[in-house]
Amino acid sequence: NAGVMQNPRHLVRRRGQEARLRCSPMKGHSHVYWYRQLPEEGLKFMVYLQKENIIDESGMPKERFSAEFPKEGPSILRIQQVVRGDSAAYFCASSPPTEEQFFGPGTRLTVL
Amino acid sequence: AQSVTQLGSHVSVSEGALVLLRCNYSSSVPPYLFWYVQYPNQGLQLLLKYTSAATLVKGINGFEAEFKKSETSFHLTKPSAHMSDAAEYFCAVRSLSTGANSKLTFGKGITLSVRP
Repeated sequence: NAGVMQNPRHLVRRRGQEARLRCSPMKGHSHVYWYRQLPEEGLKFMVYLQKENIIDESGMPKERFSAEFPKEGPSILRIQQVVRGDSAAYFCASSPPTEEQFFGPGTRLTVL
Repeated sequence: AQSVTQLGSHVSVSEGALVLLRCNYSSSVPPYLFWYVQYPNQGLQLLLKYTSAATLVKGINGFEAEFKKSETSFHLTKPSAHMSDAAEYFCAVRSLSTGANSKLTFGKGITLSVRP
């Protein structure tokens, strides 16, 4: 059983471009979480999704950020018009109902 | 609201010495508590978790942690440090009351260095 997959592992964008981060949960997991890790800080919750539903987006910035988890395919975290402050490591975690979260290796976004 | 405090950002120990990484939490409802380890440029790996059963929890790689409700603490220990333990360690809390799949709240993390 493969673990949580994230791609790309490294992403470089120029200011104003769009960034798309993908997360494929572990097989059988229907819950996906996105966290952001800024330099020298811990992980901060962004959004919690189940298939086709956003359950909790209390950690998402109000503008430019969106997330989806379609019925088929990976979960996508989309950042429009990136700015330098978006540079961070973005981690996805997945879980089955009532169980712990398993983390992916992360996507490291660098905004030039 | 929940929060986690990990005092200090860096701990250095000699190989073979006791490892003690502190974690205090704040939660208005009974918590689940977790310790994760992160090696450079990798994701987080679960070391151990407290889920309201035994207060002394044993995890992987010889680590253990004790839940002390009176002190709101969940400190991580290992009797004898190995060089391979050098990594960043995160304590996290999750509330039971908001459902089994609620978000994790992390501390800022502690970097553990192990001296030969």
